[in-house]
Amino acid sequence: DSGVTQTPKHLITATGQRVTLRCSPRSGDLSVYWYQQSLDQGLQFLIQYYNGEERAKGNILERFSAQQFPDLHSELNLSSLELGDSALYFCASSVAGHNYGYTFGSGTRLTVV
Amino acid sequence: TQLLEQSPQFLSIQEGENLTVYCNSSSVFSSLQWYRQEPGEGPVLLVTVVTGGEVKKLKRLTFQFGDARKDSSLHITAAQPGDTGLYLCAGLEDNNDMRFGAGTRLTVKP
Repeated sequence: DSGVTQTPKHLITATGQRVTLRCSPRSGDLSVYWYQQSLDQGLQFLIQYYNGEERAKGNILERFSAQQFPDLHSELNLSSLELGDSALYFCASSVAGHNYGYTFGSGTRLTVV
Repeated sequence: TQLLEQSPQFLSIQEGENLTVYCNSSSVFSSLQWYRQEPGEGPVLLVTVVTGGEVKKLKRLTFQFGDARKDSSLHITAAQPGDTGLYLCAGLEDNNDMRFGAGTRLTVKP
């Protein structure tokens, strides 16, 4: 157990639907990162939050949004889902500095049918 | 195009063999990390290297950061089936963006 909790572990939904992925960071970590991993794209950075505020944005589609709550858990919202959104979505957390490394959760496998 | 190029993409070896995988870039990184990922799990941090030329050892794994902080290598001595997994390097740019390579998928056969 890495200390980063992601739910659900698996999600199957239809095109056009909306889903919410949840992440609880490791205790004491203020930063949360969301990544998408697909076979052909590798790990793609989506967005980072630090202590409740958006800190950095990567290749996140406009159909996707995220937030970090006062208790530091984070949610990634994916809407108007397309087949190509099928992927593993990982949340990672870290202490303030990147040099400490990231602790990843086990991921949510999203399948859009 | 990946900012970080990892090679080889796939590697299949017998137990007991040595191997080296590489992580190369044209960019300079303030630090570089190596992760190992097993199927169905998230990546697990193995090491962070910060100083150009730095060498770190973790049991049978040796990590080196290039002098110019643009590249890194991971050497495994006497590989074991438990070393099987996807090895990812990730570089931290000066603008605080962390970039991941596509990984080297290692299979160690008993």
